[in-house]
Amino acid sequence: AQKVTQAQTEISVVEKEDVTLDCVYETRDTTYYLFWYKQPPSGELVFLIRRNSFDEQNEISGRYSWNFQKSTSSFNFTITASQVVDSAVYFCALSETDSNYQLIWGAGTKLIIKP
Amino acid sequence: EPEVTQTPSHQVTQMGQEVILRCVPISNHLYFYWYRQILGQKVEFLVSFYNNEISEKSEIFDDQFSVERPDGSNFTLKIRSTKLEDSAMYFCASSENTQLTEQYFGPGTRLTVT
Repeated sequence: AQKVTQAQTEISVVEKEDVTLDCVYETRDTTYYLFWYKQPPSGELVFLIRRNSFDEQNEISGRYSWNFQKSTSSFNFTITASQVVDSAVYFCALSETDSNYQLIWGAGTKLIIKP
Repeated sequence: EPEVTQTPSHQVTQMGQEVILRCVPISNHLYFYWYRQILGQKVEFLVSFYNNEISEKSEIFDDQFSVERPDGSNFTLKIRSTKLEDSAMYFCASSENTQLTEQYFGPGTRLTVT
């Protein structure tokens, strides 16, 4: 069974639209961490956010916001007023005690922002 | 800002050859990791390393793979006899500790096995 599911394989929107990337995770641990990474076309992995399981506060960083809901095991990522430079593959990842904190990755969502 | 570096950026090798991928983690970090990403696929964990020994490894990390921290700065991944299916992007990462801090990734080494 997938531990981290990113059901959206690819999303395409026009610049300035808002877009939400979904992430659903599965774990039996009570203590775990969730991450989002961005992989632009150049290939590197860029850390965006880490959230621990005890902190359900939503977070906003500029145009980026994250909605963590333990009740639905989801950690969704919203980009407001998208820009062409946001085009990338976005990965959600889980780190849990059971797996000795290795990162377990979702399949990624390819986001295309059209001008 | 400190960063993880990896060399080479691209390595081409023939099947059956040994390759060594090199990484320099962030200097005050204690935990080191290797991941790989086959083209167009998800990132997969290979191994984590702490206090000069492997702390966790995946089923991908078989006897063909080994890791080493030969000195105070480098962290290497060796593949003894490469196979075509080893072609992938290999990412090194480091973190201050496993629980609290994020893993910072290097730019990756693209390995092409022909």
